[in-house]
Amino acid sequence: AQTVTQSQPEMSVQEAETVTLSCTYDTSESDYYLFWYKQPPSRQMILVIRQEAYKQQNATENRFSVNFQKAAKSFSLKISDSQLGDAAMYFCAYRTMEYGNKLVFGAGTILRVKS
Amino acid sequence: EPEVTQTPSHQVTQMGQEVILRCVPISNHLYFYWYRQILGQKVEFLVSFYNNEISEKSEIFDDQFSVERPDGSNFTLKIRSTKLEDSAMYFCASTPSRVAIEETQYFGPGTRLLVL
Repeated sequence: AQTVTQSQPEMSVQEAETVTLSCTYDTSESDYYLFWYKQPPSRQMILVIRQEAYKQQNATENRFSVNFQKAAKSFSLKISDSQLGDAAMYFCAYRTMEYGNKLVFGAGTILRVKS
Repeated sequence: EPEVTQTPSHQVTQMGQEVILRCVPISNHLYFYWYRQILGQKVEFLVSFYNNEISEKSEIFDDQFSVERPDGSNFTLKIRSTKLEDSAMYFCASTPSRVAIEETQYFGPGTRLLVL
């Protein structure tokens, strides 16, 4: 079974600075999807960024980018120019390529942004 | 932009009572899911639903749980006899047509269930 590990329960960053959230996973599959979801205090789950394992290029979405290291099974999220609105719980999630399969989530990292 | 909706946003019930949580997935989506998140814990998969039947379910999804798509738009999760440990946030999610290469699950805002 696949597992996702987020080793940082909580992180802090100064506004306008850069922060990196860590995620590792375990799988025997060669192709899969990886996701970062943001959960603000409202508890809505919001997709931040998605990475396909077959793509070597790291995904980017505006201030959000990932460092995907397939061999190391590592998938970190970098947030540049942090904003107060980035404060939230961030979940890393894994999904196999098979259509419709469930997401497997990590335990989450609380990100605090200081002004 | 289309979005997944869920009702109610909050529900308080007595232990042993039945609850039905409702979701309206995005209209052209084909795969539907329920997840739950106990306060302070990770999001856990409950069940997936495709072509009017359960595709996969977790060990959490026991006989007390059932899902249904009663019409063309709603997707419901029923808990027959609620227990204290069912208190959680319940999220509905849906995925577009399998023609799409990148199949993202879009989440609803959640229903916060409190069992007393």
